[in-house]
Amino acid sequence: SQTIHQWPATLVQPVGSPLSLECTVEGTSNPNLYWYRQAAGRGLQLLFYSVGIGQISSEVPQNLSASRPQDRQFILSSKKLLLSDSGFYLCAGSGAESSYNEQFFGPGTRLTVL
Amino acid sequence: GNSVTQMEGPVTLSEEAFLTINCTYTATGYPSLFWYVQYPGEGLQLLLKATKADDKGSNKGFEATYRKETTSFHLEKGSVQVSDSAVYFCALSGHSGYSTLTFGKGTMLLVSP
Repeated sequence: SQTIHQWPATLVQPVGSPLSLECTVEGTSNPNLYWYRQAAGRGLQLLFYSVGIGQISSEVPQNLSASRPQDRQFILSSKKLLLSDSGFYLCAGSGAESSYNEQFFGPGTRLTVL
Repeated sequence: GNSVTQMEGPVTLSEEAFLTINCTYTATGYPSLFWYVQYPGEGLQLLLKATKADDKGSNKGFEATYRKETTSFHLEKGSVQVSDSAVYFCALSGHSGYSTLTFGKGTMLLVSP
């Protein structure tokens, strides 16, 4: 079955520090991969998605960037965190098994910027 | 563009009560529709889905029917349990290889014993 791994589970970082969140996927090849952010009490905001290695689409201009160095690896980064970057970050994937329509999610990373 | 509207929560019910969470959508073409559930502190899990009009998705006692005429996909359960307490998200996906999901804002369900 398809599985998304994310780490770390929780992270507390000072304002201005860098960020790197990693996501890996198992159980499917050539997946589409997605990064979402969920602010407290709010819905999901799509940040980036990728349909292949090195291919990144940004949905919302912001302080974050994403990279896809390998087919099953998706990384979310920032050079300098802002207070507003705090939130719950979810990685998701979709595969050919479901015609890329159905997404499966990782456990999330809770980021607190102080 | 695509959009999903869900009823605002929280929805507070007693155990064994009937549950309805309303979801309506706006989309071009023929989207697939989904309900995801998020338990506290966890990621989202797919609860059920429907890919064409009049399809009924069902799982764990939950059901939702894809109604194209009313552009709705309401979630129902006949008898809720305390363990059903979670946030429920309605979402839609277009039919393309690059499709992204459009989510509603989520509805929190609280079930008391």
